[in-house]
Amino acid sequence: AQSVTQPDIHITVSEGASLELRCNYSYGATPYLFWYVQSPGQGLQLLLKYFSGDTLVQGIKGFEAEFKRSQSSFNLRKPSVHWSDAAEYFCAVGAIEGTASKLTFGTGTRLQVTL
Amino acid sequence: NAGVTQTPKFQVLKTGQSMTLQCAQDMNHEYMSWYRQDPGMGLRLIHYSVGAGITDQGEVPNGYNVSRSTTEDFPLRLLSAAPSQTSVYFCASRSPGSTGNTIYFGEGSWLTVV
Repeated sequence: AQSVTQPDIHITVSEGASLELRCNYSYGATPYLFWYVQSPGQGLQLLLKYFSGDTLVQGIKGFEAEFKRSQSSFNLRKPSVHWSDAAEYFCAVGAIEGTASKLTFGTGTRLQVTL
Repeated sequence: NAGVTQTPKFQVLKTGQSMTLQCAQDMNHEYMSWYRQDPGMGLRLIHYSVGAGITDQGEVPNGYNVSRSTTEDFPLRLLSAAPSQTSVYFCASRSPGSTGNTIYFGEGSWLTVV
């Protein structure tokens, strides 16, 4: 069965500092990987996704993620955090072909940004 | 979240009441699904559908029913609400295909069962 682990429940960084959110997955085949962001009281917004090809994926809002098959990881990074990045971030792995839309989500990492 | 509309956004129910969460998408997506989001649990799949007339259970289907009579709509029914169903519910849709494969989420429905 597929699973996703986000080991950090809560992270606090200063504005302007770099950020890395960790995500480890377990999946039997080539994974499809996603990062979503959720602001308080809002729905989920897709930041970026990995299906195949270049293992360094660029997303919106200056985020990027790197797929490392050997480590079963898909960590999210941003070189300089802005106060508006404060939100909850979810990593997800899923089967896209066949029964599609069967994403398995991590439990989320809440990001707090201090000024 | 373009194209996936959920209603209502907020609802309070009494234990034992029934209700339906509506989900509609105007992108002609074949695949639709319902998730619930609980603190510390992430999002968990309740039911999903790969096309009109076809539904299947996800990870946490108990207490919920779904149907898919049209491509556009995928309602989620709570037949007898329980406090354990207090949660935020998200509907999602996507189109099958080798490109994009972007999953679109609705803005969520906050349900409280008292």
